[in-house]
Amino acid sequence: DVKVTQSSRYLVKRTGEKVFLECVQDMDHENMFWYRQDPGLGLRLIYFSYDVKMKEKGDIPEGYSVSREKKERFSLILESASTNQTSMYLCASGGDRYIPNTEAFFGQGTRLTVV
Amino acid sequence: SQQGEEDPQALSIQEGENATMNCSYKTSINNLQWYRQNSGRGLVHLILIRSNEREKHSGRLRVTLDTSKKSSSLLITASRAADTASYFCATPSSNTGKLIFGQGTTLQVKP
Repeated sequence: DVKVTQSSRYLVKRTGEKVFLECVQDMDHENMFWYRQDPGLGLRLIYFSYDVKMKEKGDIPEGYSVSREKKERFSLILESASTNQTSMYLCASGGDRYIPNTEAFFGQGTRLTVV
Repeated sequence: SQQGEEDPQALSIQEGENATMNCSYKTSINNLQWYRQNSGRGLVHLILIRSNEREKHSGRLRVTLDTSKKSSSLLITASRAADTASYFCATPSSNTGKLIFGQGTTLQVKP
């Protein structure tokens, strides 16, 4: 079974803290994604990576950065957490840049609360 | 920007009835995917339909695709209370594989 594992299920951080959300996949996928999910807004893409050290901004990259040093690991970084970043964060992996006809596999999500 | 937009936003039906959800998208695609999300969990892939397909079945799921109207529909037949979830359509960018989701339809199936 494909596994996408997010490091935390629930996280509470203080305003101004640097926050790391980790995601690991075991299927050798080239594509990995970070989404943010808020009520009424659906899933919004924050960043996308199609290879090690390669990344593309999604629709809402402001306030976030990412790191992909190894193929299996994709980290989302909140440089200085703010209360408006309180949300559910979902990591996914699937396919590669040139073969988009594949499904994405999701982690269980991290519910982040910034106080 | 959202590539797919689902309609309706919320749907409530009785067990045994059929549920139909629609998805519209803006640009050309090579496939469209449907996902399900149980409350507070990650998404699970349900079905993928390629741009050269018009209809696809998987168990009680039936997906149609009309590329001329840039729309797709997901039909769940003989619904069960366990089908209660949110359903999302998603389309990959044709040149990068970036996967863009719609806002989803929340389905409630009453026992």
